[in-house]
Amino acid sequence: GAVVSQHPSWVICKSGTSVKIECRSLDFQATTMFWYRQFPKQSLMLMATSNEGSKATYEQGVEKDKFLINHASLTLSTLTVTSAHPEDSSFYICSARNSGMGDTQYFGPGTRLTVL
Amino acid sequence: EDKVVQSPLSLVVHEGDTVTLNCSYEVTNFRSLLWYKQEKKAPTFLFMLTSSGIEKKSGRLSSILDKKELFSILNITATQTGDSAIYLCAVEKTSGSRLTFGEGTQLTVNP
Repeated sequence: GAVVSQHPSWVICKSGTSVKIECRSLDFQATTMFWYRQFPKQSLMLMATSNEGSKATYEQGVEKDKFLINHASLTLSTLTVTSAHPEDSSFYICSARNSGMGDTQYFGPGTRLTVL
Repeated sequence: EDKVVQSPLSLVVHEGDTVTLNCSYEVTNFRSLLWYKQEKKAPTFLFMLTSSGIEKKSGRLSSILDKKELFSILNITATQTGDSAIYLCAVEKTSGSRLTFGEGTQLTVNP
C-alpha cells in the first residue's frame, strides 16, 4: 500500500500561538513530501516541497519564516505554523512521493486548522 | 505560467447516468497527468497517465490522455451516489515532481 497519515486531524488554537502538523508515510520511504493548503471550494495550492535532509523549497508568496518545514527522516515531515492568525485557518494537506510506485503522490487525510 | 483547466466546474446527474469530465493543460516539461477524487478529506488517487491513447480503467472509471491536444478525460459509467465528490486533475512536471492542480469538478449524483 501507500498510506500517508497526518496528525492532528483538526486543531483549534488562539491567535499568536504556533501549531505543528506531522505528516508520515507509513509503509514507504519518501525523500520528497509536499505541503498544500486548501480554502473552501478552492483547489489545492502547493505551499512548499520538503526534501529529506535539506531545506524546503517554498512557492512564491509563501513565507518560509511563518511556515517552518522540517523533513528530518524518510518517513516524517512537519509543518509548523508560527504565530498563527485567523487568516491562516485552512485545510492543510501533505503528500508523499512513492518512488516504488511510479513516483505517484499519495495524500494524507489533511489537518483542519482553525485560529481564533 | 503552468495552467490546468477543468470543465465543467460542477455537474449534477442522476444515478445510472454516464459522465465525462475534462482536463486541459499547458505545462512545460510535462511528465504525467493525475486524477484524484476528493470527498470530505484529502484527495485519493485514481489514475496516473503518461502516454497518449492508452486507456486506464478501474471498475466504472476510465481515463485517457491526449498529449498532442493536451487534454485528458475521466469517464464514469453507471454513476452511483457514492461517486459524488470533487474530481481533481493535476499535472506533474519532470523537474521536482510539483503538481499543478485544476479547480476541480464538483460532481453530484442524485438518487
